[in-house]
Amino acid sequence: DTGVSQDPRHKITKRGQNVTFRCDPISEHNRLYWYRQTLGQGPEFLTYFQNEAQLEKSRLLSDRFSAERPKGSFSTLEIQRTEQGDSAMYLCASSLASTTGTGELFFGEGSRLTVL
Amino acid sequence: GESVGLHLPTLSVQEGDNSIINCAYSNSASDYFIWYKQESGKGPQFIIDIRSNMDKRQGQRVTVLLNKTVKHLSLQIAATQPGDSAVYFCAEISTFGNEKLTFGTGTRLTIIP
Repeated sequence: DTGVSQDPRHKITKRGQNVTFRCDPISEHNRLYWYRQTLGQGPEFLTYFQNEAQLEKSRLLSDRFSAERPKGSFSTLEIQRTEQGDSAMYLCASSLASTTGTGELFFGEGSRLTVL
Repeated sequence: GESVGLHLPTLSVQEGDNSIINCAYSNSASDYFIWYKQESGKGPQFIIDIRSNMDKRQGQRVTVLLNKTVKHLSLQIAATQPGDSAVYFCAEISTFGNEKLTFGTGTRLTIIP
């Protein structure tokens, strides 16, 4: 499978615990995005990387959230001291950006987080 | 603030009929628009896109229309099939601006057999 893969697909945790999600983008893609989606809503932008550089972070991304893409390939999204309001689907997407602009975003299947 | 919205949250269509899903956007700087299909428990799947220098683009059974004057986007699905049942999102991006995709709330399309 050469698409965007995310792990784990489902995570159930207790409030206050830390969780980490991993995203492996399409190999030649230089852009990687994290989105959050709650039930009945469209995905909301969290942050994105161009190669290893984190270029933008949403105000939704509180200081409990941190994302990294250390080698410009896979990315991790960590949530510290989880709260029930963090329960959502966390989506990763990748694209190949060029001088003509950003290309099509390909999404993974998402990591569903449930905080008890 | 910037927003992308949909006129109808749900739409039911008889199998074989055509469906039209509408979307309004507010960011006049948006120059790239995409329709995504999302099935239950899955990530959004690209359907069709259109750039702001076009007003119509056709794919296989799908057509996207863009009216920049009224900032309106529509997705037409011809000869709907049961597999078309899903939530459809329009999304917009300013490719040389903040370059982040902004999604609307979505429309749930149900195909009635």
